[in-house]
Amino acid sequence: GDSVTQMEGPVTLSEEAFLTINCTYTATGYPSLFWYVQYPGEGLQLLLKATKADDKGSNKGFEATYRKETTSFHLEKGSVQVSDSAVYFCALSGHPQGAQKLVFGQGTRLTINP
Amino acid sequence: DAGVIQSPRHEVTEMGQEVTLRCKPISGHDYLFWYRQTMMRGLELLIYFNNNVPIDDSGMPEDRFSAKMPNASFSTLKIQPSEPRDSAVYFCASSRQGIVYNEQFFGPGTRLTVL
Repeated sequence: GDSVTQMEGPVTLSEEAFLTINCTYTATGYPSLFWYVQYPGEGLQLLLKATKADDKGSNKGFEATYRKETTSFHLEKGSVQVSDSAVYFCALSGHPQGAQKLVFGQGTRLTINP
Repeated sequence: DAGVIQSPRHEVTEMGQEVTLRCKPISGHDYLFWYRQTMMRGLELLIYFNNNVPIDDSGMPEDRFSAKMPNASFSTLKIQPSEPRDSAVYFCASSRQGIVYNEQFFGPGTRLTVL
């Protein structure tokens, strides 16, 4: 079945450091890919998405590129802030359209120190 | 527009008691999802509905868990009887069918503690 694997956490960085959180997936067909973020005490919220190969999703300074050849969707940010401290989830939807279920990775906890 | 509403936000109960979690999805959304989050198992999809009909309940851990969606604006997740291993944060999420994928909107969660 479909699956998502994220890099192990927790990840701790200093403010203004460069961030990469790795995500690889296994899926049949052409999934859509997503990054969700969960701030302390809150539910998950969509950070960015890409629906086809070579698409780049971006939001709030974060970026991720849908790489079909390497089945990856790594999350990057050039200069992190303390407010980026959260848990980040990579996810895929195996259906080409519509709001079907998501398959989530295990989440990566990110802590940014001032 | 109000987001997904869940109640209660916190629930503490004793083993063997019945627990009912409630969710009001965003108006106009036709998909509703129930998730469970624990440190050990991460985020798990329990069940989801489309137009009030359960589509996939393969994630429901056992017969002690049941979910209903009597109308488009309300869903419940019931655990009877509850056990300490059910302690977790339970999230409800909703989304709307579209031409391309539409994001799932999550509620704030219900933190359940079973003593």
